[in-house]
Amino acid sequence: KAGVTQTPRYLIKTRGQQVTLSCSPISGHRSVSWYQQTPGQGLQFLFEYFSETQRNKGNFPGRFSGRQFSNSRSEMNVSTLELGDSALYLCASSFRTGDTEAFFGQGTRLTVV
Amino acid sequence: QKEVEQDPGPLSVPEGAIVSLNCTYSNSAFQYFMWYRQYSRKGPELLMYTYSSGNKEDGRFTAQVDKSSKYISLFIRDSQPSDSATYLCAMSDYKLSFGAGTTVTVRA
Repeated sequence: KAGVTQTPRYLIKTRGQQVTLSCSPISGHRSVSWYQQTPGQGLQFLFEYFSETQRNKGNFPGRFSGRQFSNSRSEMNVSTLELGDSALYLCASSFRTGDTEAFFGQGTRLTVV
Repeated sequence: QKEVEQDPGPLSVPEGAIVSLNCTYSNSAFQYFMWYRQYSRKGPELLMYTYSSGNKEDGRFTAQVDKSSKYISLFIRDSQPSDSATYLCAMSDYKLSFGAGTTVTVRA
């Protein structure tokens, strides 16, 4: 059974640009959550999508957005990149919203220069 | 004050020692308590989760939850060099809230 797949693995962008990250959940899982991991703040919840609807949202500015497609794949977008957006972005998939068993992908390492 | 507090360490122990990790929390709404292990350049991997106060064992790992004290622990018995990783506690209401993670090194 394939795990959670995140693409790309690494990304370098310039301040002011925008970026789109992709997450393919485990087959059959319909919930996808996104997290930002930085050395200073640790893992912080961005948002969760279930059945193409955003169910929950963390305390991040509106520059961070996401969506989910009918096949449960999800994308997150960050517009007007700032240096502080440099982080490991992780997605986690679970069977349903609020599920305790969440499986993480390997993450996308975003560097903003 | 953060919702979940975890000492980031680092923690270095000899092979075969017991590793003791813990977290405290402030949000009484947390219902599920989890421990994740994260190797360098990898995503977190779920080790164990518990719902109620008490102990849960899985091989060399034991998770403890004390809801009255808002305190959870993870013990690793007979630690191995392959256990060297960052261990993150996480708690769930409608989302996962993570501790800062404790970096553990098991010396051969």
